[in-house]
Amino acid sequence: AQTVTQSQPEMSVQEAETVTLSCTYDTSENNYYLFWYKQPPSRQMILVIRQEAYKQQNATENRFSVNFQKAAKSFSLKISDSQLGDTAMYFCAFMTWGGRDDKIIFGKGTRLHILP
Amino acid sequence: GAGVSQSPRYKVAKRGQDVALRCDPISGHVSLFWYQQALGQGPEFLTYFQNEAQLDKSGLPSDRFFAERPEGSVSTLKIQRTQQEDSAVYLCASSQGGNQPQHFGDGTRLSIL
Repeated sequence: AQTVTQSQPEMSVQEAETVTLSCTYDTSENNYYLFWYKQPPSRQMILVIRQEAYKQQNATENRFSVNFQKAAKSFSLKISDSQLGDTAMYFCAFMTWGGRDDKIIFGKGTRLHILP
Repeated sequence: GAGVSQSPRYKVAKRGQDVALRCDPISGHVSLFWYQQALGQGPEFLTYFQNEAQLDKSGLPSDRFFAERPEGSVSTLKIQRTQQEDSAVYLCASSQGGNQPQHFGDGTRLSIL
């Protein structure tokens, strides 16, 4: 069974600083996707970034980048130049590629506060 | 529609009542998922549809939970004889399938008194 672990329940950083959220996962699969989702108080789950496991290059989306270490089963999210609007719950998530279904397995989340 | 629409946004029910939660996926999306999110936790998979076929219901916590998608678009999650532990946010997501990104609705917050 696949599991996703986020060891930081809550973090706070000052606006404009850089912050890194940690995530580890466990799987015996070789083909999979990893995601970071953002969930603000409005509850809508928003995809921040996606990484295909077969790609060695780390994914980036503007101020968001990941450090994907496949052998270590680690997938951290770096937010540069943090903004007040980045305040939210962040979930690391996993999905098997090419499986019978596409269900996503989520970690428990990290609550991130960006302080003015 | 432009996104996944869920209704109602909030639902309060007394223990023992039946409830029905609705999900309108993005038009043309073949895959539809239901997730349950307890307070302060990450979402947990409940069930998955490909068109009208329910391909995976392994996450449904008991036989009180039932989901359907009879015409391959709108889906309803029904919970019979609700219990307090059913209190959670129920999220619906849809995708084009084939590992395409899942788009989530705003969820229904269910409170069982």
